[in-house]
Amino acid sequence: QKEVEQNSGPLSVPEGAIASLNCTYSDRGSQSFFWYRQYSGKSPELIMSIYSNGDKEDGRFTAQLNKASQYVSLLIRDSQPSDSATYLCAVKWDTGRRALTFGSGTRLQVQP
Amino acid sequence: NAGVTQTPKFQVLKTGQSMTLQCAQDMNHNSMYWYRQDPGMGLRLIYYSASEGTTDKGEVPNGYNVSRLNKREFSLRLESAAPSQTSVYFCASSGLAGFGVNEQFFGPGTRLTVL
Repeated sequence: QKEVEQNSGPLSVPEGAIASLNCTYSDRGSQSFFWYRQYSGKSPELIMSIYSNGDKEDGRFTAQLNKASQYVSLLIRDSQPSDSATYLCAVKWDTGRRALTFGSGTRLQVQP
Repeated sequence: NAGVTQTPKFQVLKTGQSMTLQCAQDMNHNSMYWYRQDPGMGLRLIYYSASEGTTDKGEVPNGYNVSRLNKREFSLRLESAAPSQTSVYFCASSGLAGFGVNEQFFGPGTRLTVL
């Protein structure tokens, strides 16, 4: 069974620090990778997508993909208390299905 | 644009009752999905519809049925609710062109409790 693994946390970082969130996946042929942010009691919100090896930057967020090692990470620079949320990693497997498989999420706490 | 909308927001059922969760999107997306989210278990796919007129089972389809009514609407039906179906249900859609085709956008969710 194809799996997406995340450390459940909580990951606690001080305000202004870099938060590093990691995700590993089981299928080497996976195509597309996504990071979602979910505030407590709210729905997931797409913050980053990445499709090729390397880094992709968007504002304070950087997604990093290493297909050979089968991991994808999300870096949040200058972390703010408003970044406190659960971050979900999602993977599209290399099949015809468009559906995503989600990890169980990492809870991030940014301490003021 | 409202994006993805879901009704109802909250629902309490008794064991054995039936209900339909409604979902609609106004983004002209082809694909729509139903997930459930339980504490510590992430999102699990119940059913999805790759395009109008097609539906397919996901990870946890037992106890559910779906209808893709048209391109905009995708409903989820519980025929005989069980306490194990207590969960938060999210509808999502995707289908932008190019690399964005797999990016999914979520509705606000329905919190369902089955007593």
